[in-house]
Amino acid sequence: GNSVTQMEGPVTLSEEAFLTINCTYTATGYPSLFWYVQYPGEGLQLLLKATKADDKGSNKGFEATYRKETTSFHLEKGSVQVSDSAVYFCALRGTGGFKTIFGAGTRLFVKA
Amino acid sequence: DTEVTQTPKHLVMGMTNKKSLKCEQHMGHRAMYWYKQKAKKPPELMFVYSYEKLSINESVPSRFSPECPNSSLLNLHLHALQPEDSALYLCASSQEMPRGRYEQYFGPGTRLTVT
Repeated sequence: GNSVTQMEGPVTLSEEAFLTINCTYTATGYPSLFWYVQYPGEGLQLLLKATKADDKGSNKGFEATYRKETTSFHLEKGSVQVSDSAVYFCALRGTGGFKTIFGAGTRLFVKA
Repeated sequence: DTEVTQTPKHLVMGMTNKKSLKCEQHMGHRAMYWYKQKAKKPPELMFVYSYEKLSINESVPSRFSPECPNSSLLNLHLHALQPEDSALYLCASSQEMPRGRYEQYFGPGTRLTVT
């Protein structure tokens, strides 16, 4: 079945540091890939998405590229801010189904 | 408007109470979802409605009863819950077709505590 594996956290960075959160997936066909962010006490917000190979999703300085050859969708940001502290979920949706498969989540702490 | 609203924001209920969670969206989405999220875990799918019909029930205990009165509203009726049902309950919606292609929009959740 489909699955998503993302790096374990927590990840602690200083402000303005470079961020990478690794995400790899296993799926049949051509899934759509997503990054969601959850701030404390809130629901999930879509951060970015990619629906086919080599697509790059980007939003608020975050980027991720759909790499079919390495089955990866790593999240990157060049300069993190304290306000980026949150939990980040990598997720996929397979074609033809309703279900979203979430990774375990990676908690990010950014220190001033 | 890309907002999914949920009420109440917080709910404390005893094990013999009956309560309901409500969810609303006005994006024209025809797929709506209930998720349960425990602390430090990803959301777990409970139910999916497609065009107001129940499409998926992930073997959820019958003390949780979903209802979709129309295309904009989704309810979750709660009865005789257990303390382990305490969690954040998230509602989500998405475009229906092609299935699996589109992102889900999540509400802010209802924080449920069962005493």
